[in-house]
Amino acid sequence: AQSVTQLGSHVSVSEGALVLLRCNYSSSVPPYLFWYVQYPNQGLQLLLKYTSAATLVKGINGFEAEFKKSETSFHLTKPSAHMSDAAEYFCAVSFSGGYNKLIFGAGTRLAVHP
Amino acid sequence: SAVISQKPSRDICQRGTSLTIQCQVDSQVTMMFWYRQQPGQSLTLIATANQGSEATYESGFVIDKFPISRPNLTFSTLTVSNMSPEDSSIYLCSVEDRRTGGRNEQFFGPGTRLTVL
Repeated sequence: AQSVTQLGSHVSVSEGALVLLRCNYSSSVPPYLFWYVQYPNQGLQLLLKYTSAATLVKGINGFEAEFKKSETSFHLTKPSAHMSDAAEYFCAVSFSGGYNKLIFGAGTRLAVHP
Repeated sequence: SAVISQKPSRDICQRGTSLTIQCQVDSQVTMMFWYRQQPGQSLTLIATANQGSEATYESGFVIDKFPISRPNLTFSTLTVSNMSPEDSSIYLCSVEDRRTGGRNEQFFGPGTRLTVL
């Protein structure tokens, strides 16, 4: 069965520090991978996606993620955190077999402190 | 990307009543999805709604509890029936817009925050 695991339900960093949010997936077929961000009282916004092209994917707001098949990982990083990055981040997986269902991880709440 | 609106944005309802949530898209899309996000939880897919066919429900969700309509390519409704406090959640609709997004990429509406007393 396909699944997504996000390690760490809460991550706290200082402003200007590296952000690393972890995501591992389980899939028997080639996956499509996504990172979404949810700001308080808002819907989800797509940060970036992997769809079998380049393994290093750059997204909006300075975020990027690297697809590592050998580690079944798709960790999200940002070199320097900003206060405005404080939000909930969701990793999601879909599959190239045709059915468009998104399976979400449990989410990681990122706090950024001065 | 597609612009999605939902009505109402929030509501407080009494148990035993029903609420219909509307999802409107500014462009024609084939696939629309309805998700539930319980307090402090992740998103769970309720059903997929394609125009011209019956909605496809995920395990644990049934049509009698969550009837869905999809009358055209820009609109869908989700009804939460016979509500109980356990139905208190954020309900989000999403669309797959292959004109501007890739395959399997979904765009989300702002959500409807439902509280059942």
